Amino acid sequence: EGQLVESGGGLGQPGGSMTLSCAASGFTFSNYAMSWVRQAPGKGLEWVAAISGGETTYYADSVRGRFTISRDNSKNTLYLQMNSLRAEDTAVYYCAKNSGFIKKDGVDVWGQGTTVTVSS
Amino acid sequence: SYELSQPPSVSVSPGQTASITCSGDKLGDKYVCWYQQKPGQSPVLVIYQDNQRPSGIPERFSGSNSGNTATLTISGTQALDEADYYCQAWDSNTGVFGAGTKVTVL
Repeated sequence: EGQLVESGGGLGQPGGSMTLSCAASGFTFSNYAMSWVRQAPGKGLEWVAAISGGETTYYADSVRGRFTISRDNSKNTLYLQMNSLRAEDTAVYYCAKNSGFIKKDGVDVWGQGTTVTVSS
Repeated sequence: SYELSQPPSVSVSPGQTASITCSGDKLGDKYVCWYQQKPGQSPVLVIYQDNQRPSGIPERFSGSNSGNTATLTISGTQALDEADYYCQAWDSNTGVFGAGTKVTVL
């Protein structure tokens, strides 16, 4: 089924940058779309970004122009480059594997999440 | 931007049926997924493509989607089904989650 392990979270400064990584194993990484989903403390899930196997990218309005999702299929790794950080970006960030068609089939594998805190 | 509306909470007695709604403009024209999340855990996909169950998800979970409303139904609800449930769909090129529904098994 696969395993996803996020890293790169921590304390970031408002206006600063941070890069999250997600190491994938147990499945053919290049064959699947991947997503980032976040959850602010005590709040619900928020879809952040997705990238297809063919590297088409999709973004939530709240992060478009500030965040960049990318993948390195040779390293089985997904990334989220986060610029111009805001306090409202504070959340647990989940890396997620899409099970099939990106707009139909949902996410069937989730990482444990990495915590990003934006504060001065 | 597109919005999905869910009731904040649903209460159900053990063995009874819980229905969780998710409403959005012309939602029936989109595919809906449902996720279960228990405290301190990552979400789990319980329904995709409106009404399909992933392997390992019990048959008591079912889904439907028509018009402006999608529904997740838990038949014969068990104590272990107590969790937050989120619907999710795509509008154009953006994914959207509902705000979530807390299911309490009394």
